[in-house]
Amino acid sequence: GEDVEQSLFLSVREGDSSVINCTYTDSSSTYLYWYKQEPGAGLQLLTYIFSNMDMKQDQRLTVLLNKKDKHLSLRIADTQTGDSAIYFCAESMNTGFQKLVFGTGTRLLVSP
Amino acid sequence: DAGVTQSPTHLIKTRGQQVTLRCSPKSGHDTVSWYQQALGQGPQFIFQYYEEEERQRGNFPDRFSGHQFPNYSSELNVNALLLGDSALYLCASSWKKSGAQETQYFGPGTRLLVL
Repeated sequence: GEDVEQSLFLSVREGDSSVINCTYTDSSSTYLYWYKQEPGAGLQLLTYIFSNMDMKQDQRLTVLLNKKDKHLSLRIADTQTGDSAIYFCAESMNTGFQKLVFGTGTRLLVSP
Repeated sequence: DAGVTQSPTHLIKTRGQQVTLRCSPKSGHDTVSWYQQALGQGPQFIFQYYEEEERQRGNFPDRFSGHQFPNYSSELNVNALLLGDSALYLCASSWKKSGAQETQYFGPGTRLLVL
């Protein structure tokens, strides 16, 4: 089945770390993605991880994947007010032609 | 390098009308996917076009149709509009030949309001 779940809301102070969590159900997913959406805008690709990896770091972003528990997390170090947005995780369903299955999104609010 | 572009940015229609949304993929990309994002929800996959054919379809009725042109641009058509079709419509492009790691890049979306 295809189902991706995320917590709805996270509030942090500027300079703290943020951790956004996601669970997915399809063990055949090949890649898992994190996208950022600012108000009124489209989706911006942040990072992705291949399903046979357990960690990927990209500047302030760290992605952790626990394949056994089908749990994905995105850690943002030194969170800034400009990081306030909705964050979506998505699993890729590649049956020859890729489609993305998205979670409902986590709204991150960063206060000064 | 232009990213994914979509037109129009906003659109207001009434129930029963038909609408056409347009998308130009990122340079070098050959595949276009369309998603519907209702307010407060994550995007839902509508369909994907590659080599001018619909290759994969999500759980959307036949009122939703599309087309891909030889230059890889695409259109999404929705007939007999319902109030529930009000949403942000997102186009994403990718490069099929990149294989399993076929990262999709999204446009800014078209916001459709059906009255």
